[in-house]
Amino acid sequence: QSALTQPASVSGSPGQSITISCTGTSSDVGGYNYVSWYQQHPGKVPKLMIYEVSNRPSGISDRFSGSKSGNTASLTISGLQAEDEADYYCSSHTTRNTLLFGGGTKVTVL
Amino acid sequence: EVQLVESGGGLVQPGGSLRLSCAASAFTFSNYWMHWVRQAPGKGLVWVSRISSDGNTTSYAESVKGRFTISRDNAKNTLYLQMNSLSHEDTAIYYCARDRGRGSGRSGMDVWGQGTTVTVSS
Repeated sequence: QSALTQPASVSGSPGQSITISCTGTSSDVGGYNYVSWYQQHPGKVPKLMIYEVSNRPSGISDRFSGSKSGNTASLTISGLQAEDEADYYCSSHTTRNTLLFGGGTKVTVL
Repeated sequence: EVQLVESGGGLVQPGGSLRLSCAASAFTFSNYWMHWVRQAPGKGLVWVSRISSDGNTTSYAESVKGRFTISRDNAKNTLYLQMNSLSHEDTAIYYCARDRGRGSGRSGMDVWGQGTTVTVSS
């Protein structure tokens, strides 16, 4: 199974909003509301930012939001801050009863 | 503090085997589905395997099916990954992670270990 498709990089200035897309198929992203998003800073452990498409775990800033339309999920970061510079990965449950990650998106704060 | 601690990584020759362990603490381990996820040097996250809270249901990525076996010992609060027929492509940091959804293992991984490094090389 190929990885979910994410843009390699997204950038924005402090205070701006950016959106990261995660495109799959009807066999994964489009077929289930089990899309998660993870943040990973260099040399650090991944951190869950969004689960089940649009839910934030306790302690995650409301500047992070998730959504889905068809086979594409999205993560929006509003009020971009320097600390948001990191790699972001989406993941989805699949019809094969497996889990698939996206290739990752590097977010740069200009 | 809720914690996962992996161990068992190291250097192994191609074709060799390795068993990873993941010790859980400060939560009711037997209530949660668990995952293994790996990350090759400089690359992205790749899901490896998942096991149900009672250990009776497992699933694997195609790339490891038939070579890797996930298991758990709820009495010891420990998750395992038996890796056989290792190849260079299996070189990675291996993370164990807890799924936040107790019922299905699909909800998202909310607790991660620090990872253990596996290097496959002759």
